[in-house]
Order: sequence, then structure tokens, then C-alpha cells
Amino acid sequence: DAGVTQSPTHLIKTRGQHVTLRCSPISGHKSVSWYQQVLGQGPQFIFQYYEKEERGRGNFPDRFSARQFPNYSSELNVNALLLGDSALYLCASSLLQGINEAFFGQGTRLTVV
Amino acid sequence: GQQLNQSPQSMFIQEGEDVSMNCTSSSIFNTWLWYKQDPGEGPVLLIALYKAGELTSNGRLTAQFGITRKDSFLNISASIPSDVGIYFCAGQLVGTASKLTFGTGTRLQVTL
Repeated sequence: DAGVTQSPTHLIKTRGQHVTLRCSPISGHKSVSWYQQVLGQGPQFIFQYYEKEERGRGNFPDRFSARQFPNYSSELNVNALLLGDSALYLCASSLLQGINEAFFGQGTRLTVV
Repeated sequence: GQQLNQSPQSMFIQEGEDVSMNCTSSSIFNTWLWYKQDPGEGPVLLIALYKAGELTSNGRLTAQFGITRKDSFLNISASIPSDVGIYFCAGQLVGTASKLTFGTGTRLQVTL
């Protein structure tokens, strides 16, 4: 079975631009969460989606948004990119909401210049 | 954002040695998870703990959910070179079903 897949793996954007990151969860998993990992730190929670609804949001500005599709895949969108948005963006999938055995993808490395 | 305190921050050990690391918080957690992350990769789940006092093993790895529910420990026995990486604890705070709070990480380096 395929694990969590994320695309693209690497991305370079200019300040002020918009970016869309994509995630496909493990087959059968209905919950997708997004995390931001800045170099040298642990991942920070951004969003959780379950059954296409937002179930949790971390301390991130409104420039960050996400959605989940009927096939449970998800997109993370970031508007008006700042240099500080440069990070590894991780997607995690779980079988159900509240079941915290979360399995992570390989991440998308975003560099903002 | 909030992060759990992990110690040690890094450790340099010889192959065959045992390793211990821990994770502490001032808050109570319902779940503790331990992950390993290699450079450029996403975290890989090693062990999940769901009850205070629970002791769980996965091969050479053993983890415990602290009795106070505010800490957790990970032990690696007879370390090998492929154990190199960054180990993160993560927990689900009471009342927050939707997110994991991660530790600051322990970087493990193993020499032959």
C-alpha cells in the first residue's frame, strides 16, 4: 500500500506569491493534518481536516488555508508568501479524527526568496 | 507555538550502547507518540502510547507513558549506525483531539 504522498517535493517561490501544496492520505484514512517544520525545530500544527471539514486550526495567520476533497486528499494554500514561510510542510494522515497514530509524508520543502 | 521539552538535545554514542531520552511537559497528555526523522524526510512513527504507566516495545525500542501523564521516555538498546537521526516525541493534549504537539527533538549520532 502506498503511504502518504505529497507534491511537489521541492518548491521555490518569490515573496508575495501564492503556493498550493498537495497531499494524498493512506488509502482508507479519512483525516489529514498539515504541519510546518522550520529547520531545527519540531513540526507545528497548522490544520486538521476530517470528512472534508476543518476540525482544528493552529496559530497561523489567515494567509494559510486548506481544504479536503471527497477522495480525502487535501490541499494547503499559502497566500502572500513571506521569507519566514520557508519550511518543510508535512502532511499526516490518520484513520479517524482523534486517532493520533498519524503517519507522515516525505514533506514539501518550500523556499521563499 | 508550544513545544514539549526533550532531553538531551543531542547525543553522541558508540555502536552497541543503550540510549535514553525523555520528553516533559507542564500539561497533561492523553497520548504520547515517538517519531524518528531522517534528513529531508518526514517523521516515521516508532511507538504509540495511550495509557499512563504503559510500557511498549518495538524491537530494540522501548517507550513508557509517564504516570503523571506529563512525560514519556524512549530507550534504544544496543544502538546501531542506522539509529542515527532526530527523535521527536509528540503528544495529544487533553481537550485537543485534533492536533499533535511536538518536542524539540533529540539528535542521535552513533559511531562504530
